[in-house]
Amino acid sequence: GQNIDQPTEMTATEGAIVQINCTYQTSGFNGLFWYQQHAGEAPTFLSYNVLDGLEEKGRFSSFLSRSKGYSYLLLKELQMKDSASYLCAVRDQKSGYALNFGKGTSLLVTP
Amino acid sequence: EAGVTQFPSHSVIEKGQTVTLRCDPISGHDNLYWYRRVMGKEIKFLLHFVKESKQDESGMPNNRFLAERTGGTYSTLKVQPAELEDSGVYFCASSQLTGVVSPLHFGNGTRLTVT
Repeated sequence: GQNIDQPTEMTATEGAIVQINCTYQTSGFNGLFWYQQHAGEAPTFLSYNVLDGLEEKGRFSSFLSRSKGYSYLLLKELQMKDSASYLCAVRDQKSGYALNFGKGTSLLVTP
Repeated sequence: EAGVTQFPSHSVIEKGQTVTLRCDPISGHDNLYWYRRVMGKEIKFLLHFVKESKQDESGMPNNRFLAERTGGTYSTLKVQPAELEDSGVYFCASSQLTGVVSPLHFGNGTRLTVT
């Protein structure tokens, strides 16, 4: 299986930039996903990385380094509604199409 | 399009009772997944259907859990008999394609409390 580690909590200010890191250990890496989850709601897909580098999608970007087993999610121009849990999930060839999730990072955006 | 819907949203049952959770995936999505989040832990994979067939059930905790997807549309997850450690949020997700990257679309989950 994988060890997927992310910080438990982070706090940032409205309008600022925040980077949420995720490290993982796996054999047969087959993709890394970031999801956002507001309390009591469904996790929603944010981004996907399978090759090294940066994927940009509006205010959100995700970076992957496969050799380091490392990814980050970058949120720019933070808004209050960005307060949520951010889940890093990894797929490997052994687990097929199942996603293995980290515990999530709870982000609080303050005024 | 309608998203993944799950029923009920909450369920409180006593130890030893039976509960059945239902998931309606997005129309046209052949892939259906069940996940569970126990308090304080990460979301964990339970099983994966492709249409009506079980593709992977390696995450099912034990034989008290039975998942079905007759006809390849909605799915049910039955827990019988329920134990205290079964409490948690059960998520269903669906996706359209198997062989390529296809993000999972999650439902809001069913919060199960076993007392």
